[in-house]
Amino acid sequence: GEDVEQSLFLSVREGDSSVINCTYTDSSSTYLYWYKQEPGAGLQLLTYIFSNMDMKQDQRLTVLLNKKDKHLSLRIADTQTGDSAIYFCAETRDNYGQNFVFGPGTRLSVLP
Amino acid sequence: EAGVAQSPRYKIIEKRQSVAFWCNPISGHATLYWYQQILGQGPKLLIQFQNNGVVDDSQLPKDRFSAERLKGVDSTLKIQPAKLEDSAVYLCASSLERQYEQYFGPGTRLTVT
Repeated sequence: GEDVEQSLFLSVREGDSSVINCTYTDSSSTYLYWYKQEPGAGLQLLTYIFSNMDMKQDQRLTVLLNKKDKHLSLRIADTQTGDSAIYFCAETRDNYGQNFVFGPGTRLSVLP
Repeated sequence: EAGVAQSPRYKIIEKRQSVAFWCNPISGHATLYWYQQILGQGPKLLIQFQNNGVVDDSQLPKDRFSAERLKGVDSTLKIQPAKLEDSAVYLCASSLERQYEQYFGPGTRLTVT
């Protein structure tokens, strides 16, 4: 099975908050990431969090990390139609940026 | 700053044929990655280069896949012979120096019939 798991679909109304969840299994993860992929495009790094942090905020994005439960979430405030995309959670397990493992992605649909 | 370039964007081949993909990373980026992204899944790392040396190719099916990075800049990924299950998007990414921010190219969508 996947080392990194995510729910596959999420629909929200424009203006609402979106919360995308991710669980991982390896407690030795050093960095955890959120990437965005729009149709036909490569992945774009949105934000990342070091494993000794529990929260990081960047404008409309808030990342929460619960190391005990190995649970990572991405909250998008005031979700816009332009936020419709696939969001990937990823982890790396060493300090050299190697051993990147991606989750299957969550497709976010923003309804007008 | 120019992004990661990949070509071709799309390729359709028959099984048992050969195919090659090309990647030009961001200028100055020492680390280059090739990923395979099967429809509905996250990217899976195939190979990672540091300059022109291979750092990690543990998930590269070496009986049919090969990759090289010429002079530590451009890279090519080859499949020979292709199988139906190789149908996927092949993503190239680069980073400055094993840094944590990888910049991705648009990918090459391969269809094997």
